[in-house]
Amino acid sequence: GENVEQHPSTLSVQEGDSAVIKCTYSDSASNYFPWYKQELGKRPQLIIDIRSNVGEKKDQRIAVTLNKTAKHFSLHITETQPEDSAVYFCAARGSYIPTFGRGTSLIVHP
Amino acid sequence: DADVTQTPRNRITKTGKRIMLECSQTKGHDRMYWYRQDPGLGLRLIYYSFDVKDINKGEISDGYSVSRQAQAKFSLSLESAIPNQTALYFCATSDSGISNQPQHFGDGTRLSIL
Repeated sequence: GENVEQHPSTLSVQEGDSAVIKCTYSDSASNYFPWYKQELGKRPQLIIDIRSNVGEKKDQRIAVTLNKTAKHFSLHITETQPEDSAVYFCAARGSYIPTFGRGTSLIVHP
Repeated sequence: DADVTQTPRNRITKTGKRIMLECSQTKGHDRMYWYRQDPGLGLRLIYYSFDVKDINKGEISDGYSVSRQAQAKFSLSLESAIPNQTALYFCATSDSGISNQPQHFGDGTRLSIL
């Protein structure tokens, strides 16, 4: 089955800095890669996703890049703000169900 | 707004008790999932269902069972609860659609087993 590794497990940045979270996956058949944000005490919510026919996707301050050859994808957050503080999960989906990474706790210090 | 609703939101119970967690959705999605979240372990899949007649085990199904009573309802049961099943449980839905679709999560049920 699919195996997704996510790094780092914790990321601490100053407000205004950039943050990068990286994930690797094992199944070359995976073709859909969503990212979810979970604020403290709340449900995970989709923030951005990318499909395997695309190398990069942007939405305002967030972007995701995908390297299918190396089987890794990354989340980039620019100009971080305190409200970006949350746990971020990556996932990879090939067959019917997604496999999640273990999450990254992002802390943005004012 | 169409949503995914979990009940109860919090539950404290004793070892050996039978517990049912319920999930209902108004999104019209055909796929439903149960996940368990533990600190540092991410979201681990317990069971999933792609329609009313379909039930599939996930990576950590031991000690759990599910029932898909209707397209909109998917319940998770712990037949005889044990303390290491203390966790945050999420129900999620997704649409089969034509291309890959994201999952939509409920607010979670925090379960404590004493």
